[in-house]
Amino acid sequence: EIVMTQSPAALSVSPGERATLSCRASQTVSINLAWYQQKPGQAPRLLIYGASTRATGIPARFSGSGSGTEFTLTISSLQSEDFAVYHCQQYNNWPPIFGGGTKVEIK
Amino acid sequence: VQLVQSGAEVKKPGESLKISCKGSGYSFTNYWIAWVRQMPGKGLEWMGIIYPGDSDTRYSPSFQGQVTISADKSINTAYLQWSSLKASDTAMYYCARRDSSYIYFDPWGQGTLVTVSS
Repeated sequence: EIVMTQSPAALSVSPGERATLSCRASQTVSINLAWYQQKPGQAPRLLIYGASTRATGIPARFSGSGSGTEFTLTISSLQSEDFAVYHCQQYNNWPPIFGGGTKVEIK
Repeated sequence: VQLVQSGAEVKKPGESLKISCKGSGYSFTNYWIAWVRQMPGKGLEWMGIIYPGDSDTRYSPSFQGQVTISADKSINTAYLQWSSLKASDTAMYYCARRDSSYIYFDPWGQGTLVTVSS
């Protein structure tokens, strides 16, 4: 079974700054990687699929990159509503597996 | 497109439970519905998935035999059930619709909190 490792576990960022989140797979997942945002008390929301395609309605400040085993989610200029936990998920192999999440906190 | 889950539950160890997820705004029978667990303060764990059109069901090895996933297409509803709850089943449970082509999930239900305590 694939292991998905996200780093860092928590990230302190000031509003307006850039945040860079990493997700690593224990074996290649091609570009079959999704990112989700989960705000406190809410369900996850799809942000990115296919490693770099933004889901409907997701602002352009969110971008995804990578392929194979190394992936990055970048938030170019953090807004107050972006402070949340971000989860990656591979869907190249069965079963689908989530990473442990990265919490983006206000600095 | 919307998934609406049943309300929070408080149960005792050994009791049974069935929670629900009702889909609307799309053809319910044509999309797989997944269940995902989130234990307190932890990450997301994929439990299993069902195709309401024919009730084809797949389970994560970690959850096989621990839960049962079912669906009633006549009322656009998927279910997750336990026959004998344990304290370790305490968690938030989400349903989510699988994409038509790939195994990522959008949208998600609002979640059902299950608390198991004596």
